[in-house]
Amino acid sequence: EAGVAQSPRYKIIEKRQSVAFWCNPISGHATLYWYQQILGQGPKLLIQFQNNGVVDDSQLPKDRFSAERLKGVDSTLKIQPAKLEDSAVYLCASSFKPTEAFFGQGTRLTVV
Amino acid sequence: GENVEQHPSTLSVQEGDSAVIKCTYSDSASNYFPWYKQELGKRPQLIIDIRSNVGEKKDQRIAVTLNKTAKHFSLHITETQPEDSAVYFCAAWFSGGYNKLIFGAGTRLAVHP
Repeated sequence: EAGVAQSPRYKIIEKRQSVAFWCNPISGHATLYWYQQILGQGPKLLIQFQNNGVVDDSQLPKDRFSAERLKGVDSTLKIQPAKLEDSAVYLCASSFKPTEAFFGQGTRLTVV
Repeated sequence: GENVEQHPSTLSVQEGDSAVIKCTYSDSASNYFPWYKQELGKRPQLIIDIRSNVGEKKDQRIAVTLNKTAKHFSLHITETQPEDSAVYFCAAWFSGGYNKLIFGAGTRLAVHP
């Protein structure tokens, strides 16, 4: 079974630039999560989708972050404009059952 | 709000010793508590979990305990080995119409030969 795919694996951008991350969940998984993991911290849930609808985005900095999940499958997370403090690993996860989460390898973002 | 607190933030032990990591959670309705191990540059990996209908679960050298009354749960690693060195995260699934996975801040475990 293919896992959660994320791209790119690494990205370096200058502050104030924009960046986008892509996630392809495991086939058939209705729930998709985006987490931000700053170095030395635990993953923080940014946004959670159920199919193509948002069920939780309480921790998403909506002035600069946006996310969408087209047709309830792939998802993109965008940051515009990026700040230095956005440097982190962005993890995507998906699930079929209510209390499971399969994580992708993450995208490491460095903002300089 | 939903919160998981984890202690200690760092833990250093000698090979063969035991390691204990403790967590507390905020929502008494939570009923499923996974533990993840994360090696440098890798994704979090589920290593063991416990549900609220049991008080303890064991898998070889790893055990988890849960005290629902006190809203505490712990990870115990016995006979530690250098390959146990990693960052460990406790987590809790919070329910309220949908299920949300919240992580603790992590414990960096170093096992010295």
